[in-house]
Amino acid sequence: RKEVEQDPGPFNVPEGATVAFNCTYSNSASQSFFWYRQDCRKEPKLLMSVYSSGNEDGRFTAQLNRASQYISLLIRDSKLSDSATYLCVDSRNTGFQKLVFGTGTRLLVSP
Amino acid sequence: DGGITQSPKYLFRKEGQNVTLSCEQNLNHDAMYWYRQDPGQGLRLIYYSQIVNDFQKGDIAEGYSVSREKKESFPLTVTSAQKNPTAFYLCASSPGQGEGYTFGSGTRLTVV
Repeated sequence: RKEVEQDPGPFNVPEGATVAFNCTYSNSASQSFFWYRQDCRKEPKLLMSVYSSGNEDGRFTAQLNRASQYISLLIRDSKLSDSATYLCVDSRNTGFQKLVFGTGTRLLVSP
Repeated sequence: DGGITQSPKYLFRKEGQNVTLSCEQNLNHDAMYWYRQDPGQGLRLIYYSQIVNDFQKGDIAEGYSVSREKKESFPLTVTSAQKNPTAFYLCASSPGQGEGYTFGSGTRLTVV
């Protein structure tokens, strides 16, 4: 089983739609997670941290379900500029911070 | 502006050559990392360094070497022992545990 698993997609949605991605992680001891966004042939950029209580940043909402070991990202009112690959990340703190990346979910927002 | 600079952006290597990828940061971060990204795969950790003059192997260190002589710099050498070096290489830094990484813009290495 992969340490962090994501549906590769692509998810094709029209502008204005709401879309949700899930990600599962294998390490039950993991405490900290992130969502990164990666545009084609560019570096990943931090989108948001994922907190146990859930957190929201504008149109983006991240949730953590420890019992089922999954993380979700909800994007409301999708924009064309949201088209990218979204990487789910497990932050392991075992003496040093190691980020374990999923392979990403590709989102395509169309007019 | 603070950030991480990787150079070159594109690099072509002949079979049997060693090449060095540059990574410089002015964020005053202690920890620095090298990842490799292949199509359809997640980022994989090559080497990391938590402090100057110290570095550790990651998950796929074979065929690579690093140095950390200055806080700002963490160069990666891809040696001829690396059997499949064609990939997108990403350098990152972090201020500490619990924080996310900041990535450089990457170097695309191609073996010709």
